[in-house]
Amino acid sequence: AQSVTQLGSHVSVSEGALVLLRCNYSSSVPPYLFWYVQYPNQGLQLLLKYTSAATLVKGINGFEAEFKKSETSFHLTKPSAHMSDAAEYFCAVSVEGGGFKTIFGAGTRLFVKA
Amino acid sequence: KAGVTQTPRYLIKTRGQQVTLSCSPISGHRSVSWYQQTPGQGLQFLFEYFSETQRNKGNFPGRFSGRQFSNSRSEMNVSTLELGDSALYLCASSAGSRKETQYFGPGTRLLVL
Repeated sequence: AQSVTQLGSHVSVSEGALVLLRCNYSSSVPPYLFWYVQYPNQGLQLLLKYTSAATLVKGINGFEAEFKKSETSFHLTKPSAHMSDAAEYFCAVSVEGGGFKTIFGAGTRLFVKA
Repeated sequence: KAGVTQTPRYLIKTRGQQVTLSCSPISGHRSVSWYQQTPGQGLQFLFEYFSETQRNKGNFPGRFSGRQFSNSRSEMNVSTLELGDSALYLCASSAGSRKETQYFGPGTRLLVL
């Protein structure tokens, strides 16, 4: 069965520092992986996705993630944090079977210090 | 292109009542999924509809149900509300295949008293 584990429910970085949000997945088939961001009182917005093309995926707002099959990881990074990056981030895997079903990780709340 | 809309945005109900939430997907999208988001359980998948058929269902009791209309708009219903049903209910639309991006609405915040 597919699952997603996000390491760290809270991450705090200084403005301008590297952002690293960790995600490990479990999947019995080649996975489709996603990172979403949620700002307060809003729905989720896609940052980037991996659908078996390039292993290094670039997304919006300067974020990128690398799919590493050997490590079953899909960590999200951004070279330089900005105050506006403060939000909750969710890693997700799309499972196989009839229809469309996405399993989300527990989320990581990112704090950015001035 | 208009985004996913959900109505109402906020709702207060009492235990035992029932509630119906509505979701209008992005034009052309045939898949609508529903999620429940709570601080304790995170984002949990409720069900997914595609062309008026439920294709997938999460592990929720039968009090939670949904449907989809021919114009792809979807509704979810919760009967006999419990305090634990208080949550943000999100719907998402997509073209329908597993690798497609889901586009989320702003959610309906339900408070059960």
